[in-house]
Amino acid sequence: GAGVSQSPSNKVTEKGKDVELRCDPISGHTALYWYRQSLGQGLEFLIYFQGNSAPDKSGLPSDRFSAERTGGSVSTLTIQRTQQEDSAVYLCASSLGGDPSSGELFFGEGSRLTVL
Amino acid sequence: AQSVTQLGSHVSVSEGALVLLRCNYSSSVPPYLFWYVQYPNQGLQLLLKYTSAATLVKGINGFEAEFKKSETSFHLTKPSAHMSDAAEYFCAVSGGSNYKLTFGKGTLLTVNP
Repeated sequence: GAGVSQSPSNKVTEKGKDVELRCDPISGHTALYWYRQSLGQGLEFLIYFQGNSAPDKSGLPSDRFSAERTGGSVSTLTIQRTQQEDSAVYLCASSLGGDPSSGELFFGEGSRLTVL
Repeated sequence: AQSVTQLGSHVSVSEGALVLLRCNYSSSVPPYLFWYVQYPNQGLQLLLKYTSAATLVKGINGFEAEFKKSETSFHLTKPSAHMSDAAEYFCAVSGGSNYKLTFGKGTLLTVNP
């Protein structure tokens, strides 16, 4: 596709349920990032992929959060046993390489998660 | 480690007035600095970036920013605000081999007619 595609755009779930958020990056982009945007908190880094491997998972807030990337393309962020504090917009971004100084990050429109 | 502080979570200007959005950074290595803009219900879009070339950087839509090492600042300016500039603006930093962008909390710009 022309840009980074995320689905679903909106997800409402009940506390304790599992959710999966999907990111389809720009074709050919080897680097993929997940960020979380909470009201008034800016963007919080979650995880970075280079190809299918995740050299940095340090931003994942708890072991309820996991992510994978397959075929060097699509990535899925999974949140197990959701809590109300997980409510946020989850943003995915991709870039040609892993060095932000050499190119820009292209962001998707985000998946808004609401946990009731 | 890097961090970014954006002074003012909300800035309001009149159409045609100067826009000044403030960003201060902290970095243990020479930084790369970025400004991104987020329009309502859209993803972030790169406005401009500083990567150790010219200290005055020009971006899209008439915006520019100046890197001042002595002040650890990278403020964003535009001489004359348009209604279409209303959006949230994020300053970000990375550095060295650090592939991560660390973002500030954002500044919401309102443009009044």
